[in-house]
Amino acid sequence: SYVLTQPPSVSVAPGQTARITCGGNNIGSKSVHWYQQKPGQAPVLVVYDDSDRPSGIPERFSGSNSGNTATLTISRVEAGDEADYYCQVWDSSSDHPHVVFGGGTKLTVL
Amino acid sequence: QVQLQESGPGLVKPSQTLSLTCTVSGGSISSGSYYWSWIRQPAGKGLEWIGRIYTSGSTNYNPSLKSRVTISVDTSKNQFSLKLSSVTAADTAVYYCARMSARKLCFDYWGQGTLVTVSS
Repeated sequence: SYVLTQPPSVSVAPGQTARITCGGNNIGSKSVHWYQQKPGQAPVLVVYDDSDRPSGIPERFSGSNSGNTATLTISRVEAGDEADYYCQVWDSSSDHPHVVFGGGTKLTVL
Repeated sequence: QVQLQESGPGLVKPSQTLSLTCTVSGGSISSGSYYWSWIRQPAGKGLEWIGRIYTSGSTNYNPSLKSRVTISVDTSKNQFSLKLSSVTAADTAVYYCARMSARKLCFDYWGQGTLVTVSS
């Protein structure tokens, strides 16, 4: 089964750049999506198809994907960006295609 | 604006079947552009995909839950449903319904989530 690996936590000072990674075998060949989840709330899609942003998501959120690592980059981090972030792919490599989520990364704004 | 709303019992006894319904408003569940999914999240843990259904009734399930899961759709009511059988305490979680883009295979709209506790 396909596995996505995220660091449990990332810390960054306000105004700095946060980078959250998502590792997977040849993940660069898949489309990666990213979600932001604040406490007590449902997840929100912040990046889809590696690097596209849904309407309403600030340009500070960007993504990249190559080789075995996808990265969500949050520029000029604000206190309101503190949340859990999850990566997600569709694994079609087996007889039973299915969604895979990473374990999640807690972003702390210092 | 599409909205999804989960409903169902908040407490289920061990070994029984968990049943939830998701009502979709602001858009037709019969649209061929989307799948309709269930996702769960135990307290303090990550997201786990349960399965999805297309308007035709075609389904895909998480291999780890496949033997216990049934997802169905009622287009006349603009609803889809989840049944999870033989539940244990490990099935206690917040359950979300979500819309998945058929082209991008990502979740663009989510319900608010509903907590289901498995306990006697």
